[in-house]
Amino acid sequence: AQSVTQLDSQVPVFEEAPVELRCNYSSSVSVYLFWYVQYPNQGLQLLLKYLSGSTLVKGINGFEAEFNKSQTSFHLRKPSVHISDTAEYFCAVSEKGGKLIFGQGTELSVKP
Amino acid sequence: DADVTQTPRNRITKTGKRIMLECSQTKGHDRMYWYRQDPGLGLRLIYYSFDVKDINKGEISDGYSVSRQAQAKFSLSLESAIPNQTALYFCATSDLPGQGVTGELFFGEGSRLTVL
Repeated sequence: AQSVTQLDSQVPVFEEAPVELRCNYSSSVSVYLFWYVQYPNQGLQLLLKYLSGSTLVKGINGFEAEFNKSQTSFHLRKPSVHISDTAEYFCAVSEKGGKLIFGQGTELSVKP
Repeated sequence: DADVTQTPRNRITKTGKRIMLECSQTKGHDRMYWYRQDPGLGLRLIYYSFDVKDINKGEISDGYSVSRQAQAKFSLSLESAIPNQTALYFCATSDLPGQGVTGELFFGEGSRLTVL
């Protein structure tokens, strides 16, 4: 069965600094990978997804993630964060055609 | 109107009471899911349904039951609520992965349940 580990529960960063949120997964088959974002008091919305092809995927709000099959990772990056990026970020994996399993979440806190 | 609607949005109840959380969707998706969110634990899958006649247990189904009344409706029940079921509950839908379709989830806005 697939599983997801987000390596950092909280990431504090100053505005305009770069950020990386780490995600590792385990699965015995090919997977789809997702990052979702949850702003305070809201539901989850899709940030970006990897299905196949180019290992670097770009999402909304300037975020990108890189799929690394050998390291079973799908880290999320942004070169310069804004206060409005403060949110909780969830990595998720699905074995193709199956259910999504989520990581524990990473709280990104952007400080002025 | 939201594509995925959950009711109620907030509920406070007492230990031992029966609670039902309802979810309806207008996206026309076959697949529906119930997750619970707890701080530090992320989202954990309770039950999922790939079509009206298909119900599957997720990671943490004990203490919960579900009913798929129609393609658009998927209800979650707590037969006898207990305090450790206090959480934020999310319903989600997805289409069948296939040509051009990724199976990504579309979420409702959540139902906050407090069991005293």
